[in-house]
Amino acid sequence: SQQGEEDPQALSIQEGENATMNCSYKTSINNLQWYRQNSGRGLVHLILIRSNEREKHSGRLRVTLDTSKKSSSLLITASRAADTASYFCATDPDSWGKLQFGAGTQVVVTP
Amino acid sequence: DAGVTQSPTHLIKTRGQQVTLRCSPKSGHDTVSWYQQALGQGPQFIFQYYEEEERQRGNFPDRFSGHQFPNYSSELNVNALLLGDSALYLCASSVERNGGDTQYFGPGTRLTVL
Repeated sequence: SQQGEEDPQALSIQEGENATMNCSYKTSINNLQWYRQNSGRGLVHLILIRSNEREKHSGRLRVTLDTSKKSSSLLITASRAADTASYFCATDPDSWGKLQFGAGTQVVVTP
Repeated sequence: DAGVTQSPTHLIKTRGQQVTLRCSPKSGHDTVSWYQQALGQGPQFIFQYYEEEERQRGNFPDRFSGHQFPNYSSELNVNALLLGDSALYLCASSVERNGGDTQYFGPGTRLTVL
């Protein structure tokens, strides 16, 4: 079974709008990571947030982590057509690199 | 600096056959992990290699085996292929001393079993 579950499954927005997706997980974690995947290709690492952090920024990305609720959110601000992709959260409960992924959120950004 | 590379890009096999997929890690990385991603799903962890040994394994049968070479490159072997083995196989590399930090993924090998 998968550790994380993203919500929503799919998201369609227009360029310039913000996109928010959520991830819930089941067990305690040391860190949580977000990845992007374009059209069934390899995954690109976006951001890692550790269990003792609550918020992290990277460019147009903002990630929050609430360990009490076992949830995280990814916000993409001022979205662009190039942001069209599937976004996955992944947890690594043991810090051994055995990443556990959710099923992903498919984001479509239309010009 | 080359990233993670995988070969081949695509592969078509028939049921019962055997397949070998290859991965070269990012320069300076010593740990290789393999994932299987079925269509519409997130990647599932198969196993991880470090110092030429299988260090961790996910919930995959023994038909899935691997190897890591002294230069840290790795192979994934799947025997007695089933239709359900059709998937994108992803290789990821990382640095062991960083524990569970960022993994860098290759472009994947798309395996189709007929």
